[in-house]
This record gives sequence, structure tokens and C-alpha cells, in this order.
Amino acid sequence: EPEVTQTPSHQVTQMGQEVILRCVPISNHLYFYWYRQILGQKVEFLVSFYNNEISEKSEIFDDQFSVERPDGSNFTLKIRSTKLEDSAMYFCASSPNSGGIIEQYFGPGTRLTVT
Amino acid sequence: GNSVTQMEGPVTLSEEAFLTINCTYTATGYPSLFWYVQYPGEGLQLLLKATKADDKGSNKGFEATYRKETTSFHLEKGSVQVSDSAVYFCALSSPYGNNRLAFGKGNQVVVIP
Repeated sequence: EPEVTQTPSHQVTQMGQEVILRCVPISNHLYFYWYRQILGQKVEFLVSFYNNEISEKSEIFDDQFSVERPDGSNFTLKIRSTKLEDSAMYFCASSPNSGGIIEQYFGPGTRLTVT
Repeated sequence: GNSVTQMEGPVTLSEEAFLTINCTYTATGYPSLFWYVQYPGEGLQLLLKATKADDKGSNKGFEATYRKETTSFHLEKGSVQVSDSAVYFCALSSPYGNNRLAFGKGNQVVVIP
């Protein structure tokens, strides 16, 4: 069964460094998402992406964040200058479309630790 | 805005016990409601869903009923197994075109043999 994959599973970085989290969505899906979960808190929506552009972003997704689909298979989340409070589990998801009630398929997550 | 509240704390119970995880929501209009499950080392998987009031979602022995009058979507299973040990997330999506999911905090369920 097709699945969403994410790399790395765990990333440790120093404050102020740039990180890129990678996701490979399911191949025929058209909509892509990033969510994050800070330890002990809720899973929060960050951004959705369709047709090579952001379709919606939350208030969390500020200028430090960017997303890209560089090659038609990968979907990346970049954090330009990491802060301690960016430490969280980051989940990628994809769905075949957004009409009606469509399931989002999630990856296993990348745990980002900023020191 | 839309939000989901789950009961606090992990849930530990014995095999074959009855499981209930409470979920209430706040939303405008009529959202769709979901339960996602995360097994160790894996991604979030859709367990069940309900799209309108009084709908009952069911899968793998789990059930949840969309209760508009109490804005609730409690998850139940009559007889849990050790393999049901996982984290369970309640979520909703807005009926107004965007597809973002709003999640609860999740509940760790541990089933002891």
C-alpha cells in the first residue's frame, strides 16, 4: 500500500541554523500539508500546498518557514533560522484532492530538536 | 475558531476492558469529525470518520457517533486488545472549503495483557 515517507526521522540542530525536512507524498496525490506537534501539545496545522503554491497557511507559518516541491516527488519544509520553540514533531500529509471529505494520509513524522 | 478537546492523560486498561475516549469540539457550521490513530513508529492513520449529525463511524471494533447536541464524538471499543495500544487523536475539518484538520492533544492508550 502506498505511504507517505519522511526523512530524517530525527534531526538535531543548533539554534539559528537552517533545516530542511523532507517528505515524499503518495505519488498520485495533489494536495500536501505540514503539521507539527510540540511535545505535550496539540497537532497544529502549518500549511497546505496545491498546484505549486501555498493554498493556506496558519499564523504559525511565518517568514521563517517555506515549502517547496522541487522535483515533482519531494515536498520540503524549510526553517531558515531555527529557534528553541521550533522543537517539535513535524508531520507531512497528502490527499488526492480536497473536494468533499477526503482523507489525509500522514507520514511517520520527523522529530526536530533545536539546542 | 475550530477546536477539539480530548480528555486529559493516558489511558491504561486491561485486555478485554471497555474503552472510552472523550472528544468535544467547537466549530462553526457542521464540521466533519475524525479519529486518527498512531501506532509506535508510524504515521497518523484514519481510524473512522463521520460527516453529519447522528452519523456513526466504525472500524476495527471502534465506534464514534457525531452528537451535534453535545458537540461530541466520543470513541468507544467494547473489548480492547494489546494491539490497540497507540495514541488516538480526535480531529475535525471545516465545511467551508479549506481542508485543514484541527486536532485534539491525543490520548495514549496502553492495554495490559
